[in-house]
Amino acid sequence: EVQLLESGGGLVQPGGSLRLSCAASGFTFSSYSMTWVRQAPGRGLEWLSAISGSGASAYYADSVKGRFTISRDNSKNTLYLQINSLRAEDTAVFYCAKGESSNWYPEYWGQGTLVTVSS
Amino acid sequence: DIQMTQSPSSLSASVGDRVTITCQASQDISNYLNWYQQKPGKAPNLLIYDASTLETGVPSRFSGSGSGTDFTFTISSLQPEDIATYYCQHYDNLPYSFGQGTKLEIK
Repeated sequence: EVQLLESGGGLVQPGGSLRLSCAASGFTFSSYSMTWVRQAPGRGLEWLSAISGSGASAYYADSVKGRFTISRDNSKNTLYLQINSLRAEDTAVFYCAKGESSNWYPEYWGQGTLVTVSS
Repeated sequence: DIQMTQSPSSLSASVGDRVTITCQASQDISNYLNWYQQKPGKAPNLLIYDASTLETGVPSRFSGSGSGTDFTFTISSLQPEDIATYYCQHYDNLPYSFGQGTKLEIK
């Protein structure tokens, strides 16, 4: 059974940084792309970033390019999202998702971790 | 980047009703379209991929159709457990954007 467990969220001041983690189990982690998606309170889903199974290729939404960095450690079956220069509008639940094998779309999702940016 | 326009943004229907949601892509995406269901406080759940293929275990009252730029998601007979927000998402090329969502309520 695929399991994805996000962690690292919390309250952070504007301008601060945070690293989110996503621990994966139940599948061969290194064989699949992974994706981060966020959802601001009461709002819709926003695709943020995806990374290949090897970690060699990464893609970002224009809205977060330059501030967010996706990475993975296949020896630890863990996905990361480094978020810098946090703004109030970054307040959201951040989800990690396992990518479908051929097309990379989010196939299985974790339960999310809440990031709140406030002074 | 491809933009996805979903309508309506909210919908109220009675148990047993047929419910239809539409999603339009800003350019041809062939059949590279998913539909997700998100219940309050939960993560999204993939219902349909390739525009019309039901994910394993998804009830047959759910269906999807379309190709190119225009897509439709249908619940043939609305059940109380179908109360959720539904999202379309394309996967033609990155970034894989979502529609704005349709919040479905029971009348």
